[in-house]
Amino acid sequence: DTGVSQDPRHKITKRGQNVTFRCDPISEHNRLYWYRQTLGQGPEFLTYFQNEAQLEKSRLLSDRFSAERPKGSFSTLEIQRTEQGDSAMYLCASSSAGQGRKNIQYFGAGTRLSVL
Amino acid sequence: AQSVTQLGSHVSVSEGALVLLRCNYSSSVPPYLFWYVQYPNQGLQLLLKYTTGATLVKGINGFEAEFKKSETSFHLTKPSAHMSDAAEYFCAVSAGGRRALTFGSGTRLQVQP
Repeated sequence: DTGVSQDPRHKITKRGQNVTFRCDPISEHNRLYWYRQTLGQGPEFLTYFQNEAQLEKSRLLSDRFSAERPKGSFSTLEIQRTEQGDSAMYLCASSSAGQGRKNIQYFGAGTRLSVL
Repeated sequence: AQSVTQLGSHVSVSEGALVLLRCNYSSSVPPYLFWYVQYPNQGLQLLLKYTTGATLVKGINGFEAEFKKSETSFHLTKPSAHMSDAAEYFCAVSAGGRRALTFGSGTRLQVQP
């Protein structure tokens, strides 16, 4: 059990560029979540996968955002045409369906995005 | 709908003093409640959780919390603060079968020597 891994840890980009983040969940965790955290705030839910199926998306996930989990293992979050308002920490979490409804999520260290 | 309110964005205590971080939730169905801690430039670490059963739950690092349904509260306590407890603490709720966690805005704990 190596924990949830996120890459890169930091990303600096210019406005209008596309960026992609990767998340590797705890092995055998079939649920994967993306959250966004801005300075001084708690994390806000973006989207959730069970295996490869994207089951829920927040209204925060605009058309410029897309998330995939093609083989039910790692996931990617892409932001197209980045804006300064996208600057935030992007957190990934995973959990096991074996917990039933207990929904205990384990978080990665996050990817900090800075849009200049 | 579910929501969390954390009273006090900053709390300062002396080393060895009692730590009390407040969390109130809103949920129309029985909630699952969580406390997470976040150290600078790091992700969130689970401190403790209430799902079902005993309403007083113990977590890591000497922290505990009590679920009080009548007060819709889940306050976090630690009898004696340590310098290493200085961090940001987040209360979170999930309910009604929703997988998404709803977080409060966090409380930054300062521990004075």
